Amino acid sequence: GNSVTQMEGPVTLSEEAFLTINCTYTATGYPSLFWYVQYPGEGLQLLLKATKADDKGSNKGFEATYRKETTSFHLEKGSVQVSDSAVYFCALRTTNRDDKIIFGKGTRLHILP
Amino acid sequence: EPEVTQTPSHQVTQMGQEVILRCVPISNHLYFYWYRQILGQKVEFLVSFYNNEISEKSEIFDDQFSVERPDGSNFTLKIRSTKLEDSAMYFCARIGQGNYGYTFGSGTRLTVV
Repeated sequence: GNSVTQMEGPVTLSEEAFLTINCTYTATGYPSLFWYVQYPGEGLQLLLKATKADDKGSNKGFEATYRKETTSFHLEKGSVQVSDSAVYFCALRTTNRDDKIIFGKGTRLHILP
Repeated sequence: EPEVTQTPSHQVTQMGQEVILRCVPISNHLYFYWYRQILGQKVEFLVSFYNNEISEKSEIFDDQFSVERPDGSNFTLKIRSTKLEDSAMYFCARIGQGNYGYTFGSGTRLTVV
């Protein structure tokens, strides 16, 4: 079945540090891949997406590249800010129209000033 | 204006009581979804709803749960007899732009006491 595995948290970094949150997936077919972010007390927001192999999604300084050969979609940011503190969810959705989005367990990120 | 509005934002109910969670997506969308997130845990799929019928449901979505679109715009999730373990954030979602990701509402925090 389809599944998403992401690194366990919490991840604690100092401001301006480099961030990587690992995500790998298992899926039939060719899924679309997503990173969602959940800021404290808020809902789920789409951060970025990639819909086919070698696509790079980017937003707010975050990037992730769809790697079919390694079935990965790692999230990176070159210089994190305190305001990036949140929970980050990797997710996939297959290309069938009625397929649901499947989420990873989430990674909590703490950025220290 | 949020694209998916959920009400109430927070509901406290006694065990055994019925609750109705409401979602108001922008009209003309056929696919809707409910997810839940138990505090600090992963986001779990509950049910998908297509063209006024349940399309798929998870094992969590037992006979205590039901969904309706009673008036063509509001989209409701009903829990007939709440249990303590139903305490969670409940998110409504619709398919987003480009038919890839979902747009989520801000969620309803349900607390069963």
